[in-house]
Order: sequence, then structure tokens, then C-alpha cells
Amino acid sequence: QLVQSGAEVKKPGASVKVSCKASGYNFRSYGISWVRQAPGQGLEWMGWISGYNGKTSYAQKFQDRVTMTTDTSTSTAYMELRSLRSDDTAVYYCGKDVEITAAFLDTWGQGTLVTVSS
Amino acid sequence: DIQLTQSPSSLSPSVGDRVTITCRASQAIYTYLAWYQQKPGKSPQVLIYAASTLQSGVPSRFSGSGYGTDFTLTISSLQPEDVGTYYCQQHYSVPVTFGGGTKVDIK
Repeated sequence: QLVQSGAEVKKPGASVKVSCKASGYNFRSYGISWVRQAPGQGLEWMGWISGYNGKTSYAQKFQDRVTMTTDTSTSTAYMELRSLRSDDTAVYYCGKDVEITAAFLDTWGQGTLVTVSS
Repeated sequence: DIQLTQSPSSLSPSVGDRVTITCRASQAIYTYLAWYQQKPGKSPQVLIYAASTLQSGVPSRFSGSGYGTDFTLTISSLQPEDVGTYYCQQHYSVPVTFGGGTKVDIK
């Protein structure tokens, strides 16, 4: 199971940090991917982090603004997005990869709505 | 980046109809393809992985096929609870990419 932090409202230029707490499996044996969905739009992969060693791979689009981290002591993954713009308004999902590398996602969090508005 | 093109973008079949959704990759991805269903207001759920393997707990009316660049998701007999949007995803290489989605309504 993956449980995400609650909805956020941010101003343009601010940062947001979303958490994703895992339970029911060995966190260190799998990766966590982050996917976002703008209102009425499709799914967009943002990146992946290894639960084992914190290795990351980010989509080019977010490379300069995103940081993904983990805390293995609490089985929690984090996604921080900086320099927010209005088009970053979206539901952000974390998902458990079925293996240690970026793969398909067999478990998803409930989603976190991030609204960017002045 | 590998592009995934889904078709159609939407369809409105009747209950009991056979539904087919296609996903074409811009380069060969072997069988590194998964299909997801997203019901309105919910998180996506995986239906099919490795192009044709049914995820545990998913009804057998769902099936997948394909290899290389061309893939198909089939619903053998559409049920009312199948309303939602369906996405394909490739994980052959990073960045992982998703298709644009196919919205399925009931006529």
C-alpha cells in the first residue's frame, strides 16, 4: 500500500514536497516512480528512484526542477518540485515498480493534488 | 524517447460488445508493455503486463497481445464497470512513456 500526503496549494515560484509512505512489502527491493496528471489530461512519467540505493532517473523535462529521495527507515519516498508554474497544477501519483528498476507499476498511491495559483 | 500512439482516443460501445484498443510504439519495445485502467477520480490500476500477462485479480475478459511495435488490448464483452480511460505504458527504456489514453464510455 502507498499512502501519499495531502493536497497542497502553492504560489508560482514556490516548491512542493510530496511524500509517499509504503507498507506491506520490502521497500528496499523495489523502485518508486512518480507520475503526474494535469486536469483532464493523460499520465506523464516524471522519474524513478531505487528503494535500495536511492539511484534516480528523471525525465528530461523535469531534470532541473525535481528531486526524488527516500527514507528507508520509514519506507517513505519524497518528490520535490521547485520553481512551480501554473501548468504544474496536477495530481501527482507515486507508484511501486514491480522490480528495482523503472518498470510497470503494480501499486499506486491515492494521488496528491497540487494547485499552483497566485 | 519512445512515443506510444493509442487509437482510438475515445469510443462508446454497448454493453456486451468486443472492444479493441491499439498501441503503437515508435521503436521496438519487445514485450515491455503494460496496460492500465483508470476509472473516473481514481488512481490507475494495471490490467496487463509483459504485453499479454493478466495481472492477478483482473477479470479474464481483458486480454493483451503484441510484440515489437504493435500491441492490442481487448475487452471480450464490455461491462458497465469497464467505463474509464485506458493507457499503455512502455518500460523498455527510460524515460518510461505512456500512450495518450483511450476513453471508453457506454453507449
